[in-house]
Amino acid sequence: VQLVESGGDLVQPGGSLRLSCVASGFTFTDYAMTWVRQAPGKGLEWVSTISVSGASTYYIDSVRGRFDISRDNSKKTVVLQMNSLRADDTATYYCAKDQDWVERGAVGQWFDPWGQGTLVTVSS
Amino acid sequence: EIGLTQSPGTLSLSPGERATLSCRASQSISTNLAWYQQKPGQPPRLLIYGASRRATGIPVRFSGGGFGTGFSLTISRLEPEDFAVYFCQQYGASPRTFGGGTKVEIK
Repeated sequence: VQLVESGGDLVQPGGSLRLSCVASGFTFTDYAMTWVRQAPGKGLEWVSTISVSGASTYYIDSVRGRFDISRDNSKKTVVLQMNSLRADDTATYYCAKDQDWVERGAVGQWFDPWGQGTLVTVSS
Repeated sequence: EIGLTQSPGTLSLSPGERATLSCRASQSISTNLAWYQQKPGQPPRLLIYGASRRATGIPVRFSGGGFGTGFSLTISRLEPEDFAVYFCQQYGASPRTFGGGTKVEIK
């Protein structure tokens, strides 16, 4: 099982960035997918989850309306489109596999495995 | 939102010693708790889920326990590779949240 993120970069406040995560080694269409971030030297923060079908999406309040999560099951890829970026969005963003479908308001479970992460820096 | 408080913030121990880490939830989460280990420059690795179930490939020296609001992670005898930061995570209610972490350092 492998998750490989890409797309992290240095971006100015107010800018946009698109993160991608390519999955391999498991049946992608059996699991929801999640993004978790970690600010430099800080703890972990769940950011967003997308269900197996893509019909259910979930966001932490601080990114709702600015970030958009999507998935392409044919390409085994999950994407996080980040707009109106702020300095406090600076973090390493990890892609992680959920443990079930997480459809229709389900909470979800633990995250396993995680990708290596991609660094997003928001600064002028 | 359910808050998770981990203690202590830092645990200074020697190899071979026993480590006991605590995670307290602001409201009951049954056994909906996971533990992760993170080493510098690496992503978190799942150790425990369901409060007490070891993930695949995790050594038996790692054990978890607890129910409701109080949880613990015990490392029976610290190996050199166990010195790292440990996080708990709850999935009893949305949004899923993490504790602030406990650093286990070499004394």
